[in-house]
Amino acid sequence: DAGVIQSPRHEVTEMGQEVTLRCKPISGHNSLFWYRQTMMRGLELLIYFNNNVPIDDSGMPEDRFSAKMPNASFSTLKIQPSEPRDSAVYFCASSLKGGYGYTFGSGTRLTVV
Amino acid sequence: ELKVEQNPLFLSMQEGKNYTIYCNYSTTSDRLYWYRQDPGKSLESLFVLLSNGAVKQEGRLMASLDTKARLSTLHITAAVHDLSATYFCAARGFNDYKLSFGAGTTVTVRA
Repeated sequence: DAGVIQSPRHEVTEMGQEVTLRCKPISGHNSLFWYRQTMMRGLELLIYFNNNVPIDDSGMPEDRFSAKMPNASFSTLKIQPSEPRDSAVYFCASSLKGGYGYTFGSGTRLTVV
Repeated sequence: ELKVEQNPLFLSMQEGKNYTIYCNYSTTSDRLYWYRQDPGKSLESLFVLLSNGAVKQEGRLMASLDTKARLSTLHITAAVHDLSATYFCAARGFNDYKLSFGAGTTVTVRA
């Protein structure tokens, strides 16, 4: 199994630009999570999906952030417009409902200048 | 809301000695996880603890869970340099899907 696949690994963009982060969960996993990691706030859950349906988006910081999961094998996290304070590492994780493990992707390091 | 606290946040270890990282959580949880993160890398799963009194060991690491005290510990035996990393605990609330993470413990092992 290739694990949770995220792209891109690194993204540098200018303030005001749109940024799209991508995630492919492990095949068969039906829960998907987006986390953000910063030095100041640690690991924060942004949103999670169960069976492609957003269950809890209370961690999404602002309307500038949106996430979709059009099918079981793909999810996106979009920031529009991006701001310097969005600079962070964004992790995607997946799990199987009723299972024990949560597998994290390699993350996308986002820098907004 | 489930809150998770770890201490210490930073731990300088001497090679060969034993140390413990503590993880407290605020409300009832049915699962407790330990992860390791190397600088610039993803989170690697170490242990999943499912019940009161659960103990799991892998190499020099041993994790335990006391659900009554809402406490998990990660014990490091005879520290070695390659254990230098940041260790996170995370708890999952009952009937919930998401993990709430502690702030992490950054471990540095010195000779």
